[in-house]
Amino acid sequence: DAGVTQSPTHLIKTRGQQVTLRCSPKSGHDTVSWYQQALGQGPQFIFQYYEEEERQRGNFPDRFSGHQFPNYSSELNVNALLLGDSALYLCASSSGLGTGNYGYTFGSGTRLTVV
Amino acid sequence: AQSVTQLDSQVPVFEEAPVELRCNYSSSVSVYLFWYVQYPNQGLQLLLKYLSGSTLVKGINGFEAEFNKSQTSFHLRKPSVHISDTAEYFCAVSAISGGYNKLIFGAGTRLAVHP
Repeated sequence: DAGVTQSPTHLIKTRGQQVTLRCSPKSGHDTVSWYQQALGQGPQFIFQYYEEEERQRGNFPDRFSGHQFPNYSSELNVNALLLGDSALYLCASSSGLGTGNYGYTFGSGTRLTVV
Repeated sequence: AQSVTQLDSQVPVFEEAPVELRCNYSSSVSVYLFWYVQYPNQGLQLLLKYLSGSTLVKGINGFEAEFNKSQTSFHLRKPSVHISDTAEYFCAVSAISGGYNKLIFGAGTRLAVHP
């Protein structure tokens, strides 16, 4: 049973560019959450998708946007990249809203470096 | 609003010695608490969780944690550590808002086990 799959694993972009990160949730999960983990810090919540809609959002600018597809997979898009966007981006899947307490599964992340 | 404080950024310990990683949380409502481990260049793996019931929670790899409501703490312990326990450990609290939940993480504690 595959867990959460994220692609790509590593990415280098230039300031001002745009990037798209992808996530396939664990089989049976329908909710996807995205987190940003800067070097030496804990993960910070970006947003959460359920039924193809953004359900809640953390304190991140509009440059960060996302999408969820009918097969529950998700994309994270970041526009106008800044050096400060360099981080490990983690995707977590769960089953249903409000029930994530019983099982968030995290992917291995995408390491984004902005130069 | 919920928050998590991990009191030690780094904990060095010798192999086979006991270890405690400290975590304090703040919340005005009932909480669900978690400990995750992150090995180098990997995502987050759930060690254990407290949802309700017994305040002593046992997890994987010989770890356990005790929920203390009066002290708002959820410290992680292991009686005898191994070199392979060297990793970053994150305490997290589940924040529920409007029926949706998300995880709020502490800054992490780096456990370094020395031979």
